[in-house]
Amino acid sequence: AQTVTQSQPEMSVQEAETVTLSCTYDTSENNYYLFWYKQPPSRQMILVIRQEAYKQQNATENRFSVNFQKAAKSFSLKISDSQLGDTAMYFCAFISRNSGNTPLVFGKGTRLSVIA
Amino acid sequence: GAGVSQSPRYKVAKRGQDVALRCDPISGHVSLFWYQQALGQGPEFLTYFQNEAQLDKSGLPSDRFFAERPEGSVSTLKIQRTQQEDSAVYLCASSLGTGELFFGEGSRLTVL
Repeated sequence: AQTVTQSQPEMSVQEAETVTLSCTYDTSENNYYLFWYKQPPSRQMILVIRQEAYKQQNATENRFSVNFQKAAKSFSLKISDSQLGDTAMYFCAFISRNSGNTPLVFGKGTRLSVIA
Repeated sequence: GAGVSQSPRYKVAKRGQDVALRCDPISGHVSLFWYQQALGQGPEFLTYFQNEAQLDKSGLPSDRFFAERPEGSVSTLKIQRTQQEDSAVYLCASSLGTGELFFGEGSRLTVL
């Protein structure tokens, strides 16, 4: 079974600074997706960024980028130029591509607070 | 619709009551997932549908939990004889099967 571990329950960052959220995962599979989801206080989960395991290049989406280390099974999220609207719970998630029927597996989340 | 819609947004039930939570997925999305999210925790998988077929219900915590999607679109999660430990946010998500899930705002259930 796959597991996702987020070792930082809470983090804070000053506005305009950079913060990195950690995620490690455990799987015996070679073909999978990794995601970072954001859940603001309103609760709706929103996709931030995704990474396909077979791609070596790290994914980037504007101020959000990942550091994907496949051998180390590490998938950290870097948020540059942090904004107050980035305050939210952030969840790292894994899904296998080997079967279309496997659910998305989430970590326990990191609560990020951006301070003015 | 434009996004995944869930109702009710908030539900308060007395212990022992039955509740039904509804999910309207994005039109055309064949895959539908239900997750349970306890306060301060990550979502935990409950069950999964592909069209009307329930392909995985391994996450349902007890036989009091039942989900259906009879016409392959709207889904209902039913909880019978609710207990206090059932208090949580129930998230529904739909997908085209490409891995990315689109989530609704959730239904917050409080059992007194």
